[in-house]
Amino acid sequence: DTGVSQDPRHKITKRGQNVTFRCDPISEHNRLYWYRQTLGQGPEFLTYFQNEAQLEKSRLLSDRFSAERPKGSFSTLEIQRTEQGDSAMYLCASSLQGEATEAFFGQGTRLTVV
Amino acid sequence: AQSVTQPDIHITVSEGASLELRCNYSYGATPYLFWYVQSPGQGLQLLLKYFSGDTLVQGIKGFEAEFKRSQSSFNLRKPSVHWSDAAEYFCAVVEYGNKLVFGAGTILRVKS
Repeated sequence: DTGVSQDPRHKITKRGQNVTFRCDPISEHNRLYWYRQTLGQGPEFLTYFQNEAQLEKSRLLSDRFSAERPKGSFSTLEIQRTEQGDSAMYLCASSLQGEATEAFFGQGTRLTVV
Repeated sequence: AQSVTQPDIHITVSEGASLELRCNYSYGATPYLFWYVQSPGQGLQLLLKYFSGDTLVQGIKGFEAEFKRSQSSFNLRKPSVHWSDAAEYFCAVVEYGNKLVFGAGTILRVKS
């Protein structure tokens, strides 16, 4: 297994466009997390899945954001009608189920909205 | 809600010197604590973690951290810094559902 992979690594889009990011977790991990990291800040939790079920969404996740994990494997994060404030690094992580199990992070998708 | 404070935004140390990065957390019960490192444009790599037991934990790359409940701290240390340690370091505490709450990070610069 090559770890958590994210695609694309970089995305530049015009304001108002929709974008979709993909995350492939470590294959045996049933938990998958999305975080957002803006410049000078630590990552902030957005949402997480256990298998295909989305168990929690942060208040940071506005109605323009939607995440799916249809078969409990890869996940997508879509942002509709992007705004300049959406510019950030979007990080995906996966872990085994259980308390305080280690989360493995992907390299992230850097989104720039112009 | 849990929170993590990293008081130092930037730290510069000379290569070969010792390092201590500070982390304070706010959590009612026994916390699960992590230190991650992030190189520019990269994801996060786990350095070490504290769940319970021995309050001095050893990690990768020669790092260690000490959990002090009385001070609500989990400071990261390294006895001799290498130029390759230059990166951003994040302290994090686990919330329900295994979500991580991160501090704002400390950028480490190493001068030769």
